[in-house]
Amino acid sequence: AQSVTQLDSQVPVFEEAPVELRCNYSSSVSVYLFWYVQYPNQGLQLLLKYLSGSTLVESINGFEAEFNKSQTSFHLRKPSVHISDTAEYFCAVIPSGAGSYQLTFGKGTKLSVIP
Amino acid sequence: KAGVTQTPRYLIKTRGQQVTLSCSPISGHRSVSWYQQTPGQGLQFLFEYFSETQRNKGNFPGRFSGRQFSNSRSEMNVSTLELGDSALYLCASSSPQNTEAFFGQGTRLTVV
Repeated sequence: AQSVTQLDSQVPVFEEAPVELRCNYSSSVSVYLFWYVQYPNQGLQLLLKYLSGSTLVESINGFEAEFNKSQTSFHLRKPSVHISDTAEYFCAVIPSGAGSYQLTFGKGTKLSVIP
Repeated sequence: KAGVTQTPRYLIKTRGQQVTLSCSPISGHRSVSWYQQTPGQGLQFLFEYFSETQRNKGNFPGRFSGRQFSNSRSEMNVSTLELGDSALYLCASSSPQNTEAFFGQGTRLTVV
């Protein structure tokens, strides 16, 4: 079984400041890792994913995450946040090569960007 | 390419009633999974269907059921509704390589 821990439930940050949202996972097998973003009253949108290869993955809107196997972490970072980044962010995992698609999510981190 | 479509967006039901939610996956996707999202429990996996067969099931009571049709559209049903069933129900369809899931906008169910 897998588990995901998002260490901060809420993160306030000033506009244009950097931010890091932390995610740690536990799994006895190899996993794929994901970050999803959810705006109020919306579904989940995939922000970025790690499947294999380079441990640093980037999104089109300036977010990046680094897979650290030894620390079992997949922290999300952005060097300069914008008001529009205010949302809830979820880290998720799935066993790689799994026969079924079942995501295990963290509890989420609410990012509030302060003008 | 159309995304995942969930209907209806909002529902209000009374305790004891039953409800059916619908999900149309992205064209070509055969896997559809359902999640319940609540403030207290977060996002929890309900079940997954692939080619009309339930492939995996989460830890929910038998009141929660689902099915998938030959066109990959899926429905989930909740019978004998309880107040605690109030939640956002999300449907996702996954790519054939199982490397990415695409979520619908969700159905907000309120049980009164």
